Amino acid sequence: QQQVKQSPQSLIVQKGGISIINCAYENTAFDYFPWYQQFPGKGPALLIAIRPDVSEKKEGRFTISFNKSAKQFSLHIMDSQPGDSATYFCAARRETSGSRLTFGEGTQLTVNP
Amino acid sequence: NAGVTQTPKFRVLKTGQSMTLLCAQDMNHEYMYWYRQDPGMGLRLIHYSVGEGTTAKGEVPDGYNVSRLKKQNFLLGLESAAPSQTSVYFCASSYRLGTPLGQPQHFGDGTRLSIL
Repeated sequence: QQQVKQSPQSLIVQKGGISIINCAYENTAFDYFPWYQQFPGKGPALLIAIRPDVSEKKEGRFTISFNKSAKQFSLHIMDSQPGDSATYFCAARRETSGSRLTFGEGTQLTVNP
Repeated sequence: NAGVTQTPKFRVLKTGQSMTLLCAQDMNHEYMYWYRQDPGMGLRLIHYSVGEGTTAKGEVPDGYNVSRLKKQNFLLGLESAAPSQTSVYFCASSYRLGTPLGQPQHFGDGTRLSIL
């Protein structure tokens, strides 16, 4: 049972374009929604995160949009660069269960020069 | 600061063999986690620990055991390896909660395990 669904599975964007990755969750007890970035041969690293009491958070070229009523959130990468080529994972956490993260399936992003 | 260190980085086992994966963190984190990563399935939590001497099951605990005898170390054991356990294993650690946005999990670079 996948509690966090992520799409698309893969995404190809031209340099300078906008990359958009979407996630949907089922459990309304989730209280923290991070995005992780993973390069080949490395572990995931936190990119940006949001709480459900705000609808948007922006850090540089990366923005999370959050729709609590629809139980959906998305990552937008503005002015995408070849260096952004990586696998991106959305996740959701329940604070009351050991701060456990439930991950989406991942999106492999390729930014062409 | 090394962060989260996993050993070994690669290993090939035969079906039925046993082995232990070691995770060490030098950030004084209370929480530690073991995940497995398989293509198209994201990362799935195997076991986790909220403190020295405590462990709990995650989403996919069957076939694995863990121990947290010291705060900085979290061991993952495979008693009788099966081909279905071929995967990339990641360890992560974090502080206990206490900030508005929680505490990020810091990941090691993984152990690539193949079971023939």
